[in-house]
Amino acid sequence: DGGITQSPKYLFRKEGQNVTLSCEQNLNHDAMYWYRQDPGQGLRLIYYSQIVNDFQKGDIAEGYSVSREKKESFPLTVTSAQKNPTAFYLCASSRDRAGGELFFGEGSRLTVL
Amino acid sequence: DAKTTQPPSMDCAEGRAANLPCNHSTISGNEYVYWYRQIHSQGPQYIIHGLKNNETNEMASLIITEDRKSSTLILPHATLRDTAVYYCIGLSPPSGTYKYIFGTGTRLKVLA
Repeated sequence: DGGITQSPKYLFRKEGQNVTLSCEQNLNHDAMYWYRQDPGQGLRLIYYSQIVNDFQKGDIAEGYSVSREKKESFPLTVTSAQKNPTAFYLCASSRDRAGGELFFGEGSRLTVL
Repeated sequence: DAKTTQPPSMDCAEGRAANLPCNHSTISGNEYVYWYRQIHSQGPQYIIHGLKNNETNEMASLIITEDRKSSTLILPHATLRDTAVYYCIGLSPPSGTYKYIFGTGTRLKVLA
């Protein structure tokens, strides 16, 4: 079945540690996105990539980094510079740069102790 | 991309139609309106989208006003499984940047 796989589903880390969240899609989609969601809040865009080897900052990119070396993969690193990293992280993809329907993964819940 | 405004919460009786409004008064002529919903702690799910004409699919209907400044998502026979947060998004066709800005949405509670 085609879809988006995020891992891990739950992650606990100590303060000051970098964490990398995985996002893989087998939909052959060009564009991929990372969102952050805090309790009771909407989704906020962290980074997005419309093509391999290119990505753009979203509205809350500080303290995060990404790479897009392969079409199917868009990992997100939450660095120690992110002041409040505990959140629910969602990865999404869309067929092409022209937009269209977004497909989401099931999310990764990060808790920093 | 248009800023959208939605009521924070709504209740609907099971079996009745749920009508969720969205204001997008700054929408441009070539900007689509998309609706997604998010069931607790899951990834959002696409529902429907439209540009000018009303649209219907197996999940819902989308009614867009003639001036395109607002729209209504209609779930014709709401069930308990429709309890979720519903997001309305304005999205422009290619201009080099797609950001899919989600607001805080409407929390719909379907009551038994």
